[in-house]
Amino acid sequence: AQRVTQPEKLLSVFKGAPVELKCNYSYSGSPELFWYVQYSRQRLQLLLRHISRESIKGFTADLNKGETSFHLKKPFAQEEDSAMYYCAPDFISNFGNEKLTFGTGTRLTIIP
Amino acid sequence: NAGVTQTPKFRVLKTGQSMTLLCAQDMNHEYMYWYRQDPGMGLRLIHYSVGEGTTAKGEVPDGYNVSRLKKQNFLLGLESAAPSQTSVYFCASSYGLSGAEQFFGPGTRLTVL
Repeated sequence: AQRVTQPEKLLSVFKGAPVELKCNYSYSGSPELFWYVQYSRQRLQLLLRHISRESIKGFTADLNKGETSFHLKKPFAQEEDSAMYYCAPDFISNFGNEKLTFGTGTRLTIIP
Repeated sequence: NAGVTQTPKFRVLKTGQSMTLLCAQDMNHEYMYWYRQDPGMGLRLIHYSVGEGTTAKGEVPDGYNVSRLKKQNFLLGLESAAPSQTSVYFCASSYGLSGAEQFFGPGTRLTVL
């Protein structure tokens, strides 16, 4: 079955400390992988995608095919990183088309 | 350039009432989506559209209908609202389906009493 799991609903980290938001997925293929973020009073927006191999706002995400994980990391947390983060793999549905499947989200709080 | 807009922002319904949520995008995107967001459930896809005049069911389509008569608009209808449909509804659009970034609206908070 296609599934995405974000095991931490809440995560609190001190400013300046490293951050790791976990994402695991179960899927027989190789999905495209995304992280979306929702800051307070803002709309949901794309943070980064695996295919771009980019670092956005200091965040990176490494795909581990063996563990089927796509954890989001940042070496030094900043207060403005406080937000809701969603991992979203792009699975192929039973109808043969691809669609994003969102995890349940992790609320990250950076403690000053 | 407004991006994706949703109306209304808030709505309270009584059980059995009907309503339509409107989503509009000005980015000339082919693909549009309706999601619902519930605590502890993440975002779940209700219906989506791959172009004007087309619609398809998502993960949780029951109790909802949609229409895409114009490319820029995607309507979500509730024919007979139920308390289980209390949620925050998000519309999104994208230029492609596979691997494309989705652009989200600000959301509509719906309460069904």
